[in-house]
Amino acid sequence: DAKTTQPTSMDCAEGRAANLPCNHSTISGNEYVYWYRQIHSQGPQYIIHGLKNNETNEMASLIITEDRKSSTLILPHATLRDTAVYYCIVRVAGIQGAQKLVFGQGTRLTINP
Amino acid sequence: EAQVTQNPRYLITVTGKKLTVTCSQNMNHEYMSWYRQDPGLGLRQIYYSMNVEVTDKGDVPEGYKVSRKEKRNFPLILESPSPNQTSLYFCASSLWYGGPQSVSGANVLTFGAGSRLTVL
Repeated sequence: DAKTTQPTSMDCAEGRAANLPCNHSTISGNEYVYWYRQIHSQGPQYIIHGLKNNETNEMASLIITEDRKSSTLILPHATLRDTAVYYCIVRVAGIQGAQKLVFGQGTRLTINP
Repeated sequence: EAQVTQNPRYLITVTGKKLTVTCSQNMNHEYMSWYRQDPGLGLRQIYYSMNVEVTDKGDVPEGYKVSRKEKRNFPLILESPSPNQTSLYFCASSLWYGGPQSVSGANVLTFGAGSRLTVL
């Protein structure tokens, strides 16, 4: 099973870009990388996902290294509302191919004014 | 609005008193799942369902039951709750359960707002 490693916590100044790293060295060729975040005790919220190409949406950008062993989530202009726990997840195939998203401890990102 | 609705949002109960946490989604999603979240342990999967009448155990299924009689509903049943089931529970759904060649985006999970359960 592919697993991910993230720093426990990070700080970023408001208005600056927040770069959150994730290592997934055992990822296999057809596994996507997903990013979710959880603000306080709310339900986790999907941010972005990718396979091998860099991706961008209205929330963030995802940069995946060429060997796919690591990725970086970029919040281009962080605001105080971006303070949350960010989870990097690789989908693991379960029984009959059913998806299984294993949430680790994530990175607690604090945006400072 | 596309959403996953859980009820109740908050519940305090006593040991042994059967309870059900309901989960409903209005997106015609095939896949639904229950997670519990505890301090220091992160989100752990309890049960999941790939479609109507198809359910399977996650990582921490002990003490829980589920059923999937309709596509939109996936209730979590605690037959005899115990204090160690005090937790924050989340229901989630996605369009498809996602095999190895899953379509991009079909596996994106939408989570409910959570149900905070306290068993005394």
